[in-house]
Order: sequence, then structure tokens, then C-alpha cells
Amino acid sequence: AQSVAQPEDQVNVAEGNPLTVKCTYSVSGNPYLFWYVQYPNRGLQFLLKYITGDNLVKGSYGFEAEFNKSQTSFHLKKPSALVSDSALYFCAVRDGGYSTLTFGKGTMLLVSP
Amino acid sequence: GAGVSQSPSNKVTEKGKDVELRCDPISGHTALYWYRQSLGQGLEFLIYFQGNSAPDKSGLPSDRFSAERTGGSVSTLTIQRTQQEDSAVYLCASSLGGSGGGAPKFFGPGTRLTVL
Repeated sequence: AQSVAQPEDQVNVAEGNPLTVKCTYSVSGNPYLFWYVQYPNRGLQFLLKYITGDNLVKGSYGFEAEFNKSQTSFHLKKPSALVSDSALYFCAVRDGGYSTLTFGKGTMLLVSP
Repeated sequence: GAGVSQSPSNKVTEKGKDVELRCDPISGHTALYWYRQSLGQGLEFLIYFQGNSAPDKSGLPSDRFSAERTGGSVSTLTIQRTQQEDSAVYLCASSLGGSGGGAPKFFGPGTRLTVL
């Protein structure tokens, strides 16, 4: 079975500081990895993905993620957090022979002014 | 429309009643997915459509749950004899198919189902 883990239920960071939201995965083959963000009362929005190529992937709203095969991780990062980044973040991995995704349980990011 | 739409946005029903949830995917997206989001449970995959067929329905929690898709577009998720544990936000997503699973999925705003 393929799975993804987000070890932190919540991450707190002050505005202007760098942020990291952690994600580790387990797959049988090469992973397709994704980050999605969910703002309050909104649907999930795609942030970025890793399929192949450079390990550092850049996405929307200044976010980036680093694929680390040896550590089976795909942590989400941003150099300088904004209060408006406060939201629920989901890491996801491609699952099985089809294009279904397995999602982590989500990490709530709270950025304080 | 420009994005994935779902209706109704909220549904309150009594235990034992049947409900139908609707999803209108982005035009041209051949792949459609249903997920369920429960408090503290993250996103739970329910079913995947490619066109009108469902190659993966492994996530449907019981035979009270069914889904269909017609015309390669609109999909309905039906829950029969609803139970309180069915209360959740039901999310629909669509994506361009045939890209090996790498296409990003676009999610609708969800239907919040409350079973009393």
C-alpha cells in the first residue's frame, strides 16, 4: 500500500519567518507527489507537484518543496511566511495503477502577525 | 464554468434518508474523483471515474454508497439510508486524464452533509 504521513497536526510560525511543513511518503515505485492548500470554507487548491527532474519544485504563492528520495520526504517550504498563508495543507502521493491520490491528514499552518 | 462546481453546498438530512450529491467537473476533464473529508480524518478517496466508467471504486465505504457519471461530465454520488457517520464534506475533483496521474486535480468547494 502507498501512504503519506504528515507528522505535525499544526505548525506555528511568525510572519516573515521561514516555514516548513513536513511530509514523508511510502510508494512501491517512483512517486508522484503533490501539495494542496485548503483555505477556510474553500475547496482544495493545487500548489505544486513533483514528477521527475529537479528535486526542488517551485509552486504557487512563493511555495516550494524539496524531493528527497533517500529520506522519502517532500517537505513544503517558504522563505518568508505571510499571515494569509494560514490554511490547511495536504501532501498527497499517487496511489496504485490509476491516477488516484492518497492524501495525508493535513497540517494546519498558523502564521501570526 | 471555470471551475468544478458541486451542489448542494450544504445538505442536512435525517438518518435513514437517501441523498444525492452532484458534481460538475471542468469541461474537457475526463477524470473525476470523489473524496470525503471528515474532521480529523483528512481526505478519504471514494471513487474514480475515467469517462463514464469507474476503474477504481475501492474507497466506497459500504454498499449504501454509489456513484455514476453520464456523458463524461456530470457525476452524482448517492448515499442510501444515511447514517450519522456519513456526516462529512464530500469533495469532487477533476483532471485531464491520460497523463499518467501527473495532472493536477482541481477540487470543487464541496458539499457539507449533516445527518441528524
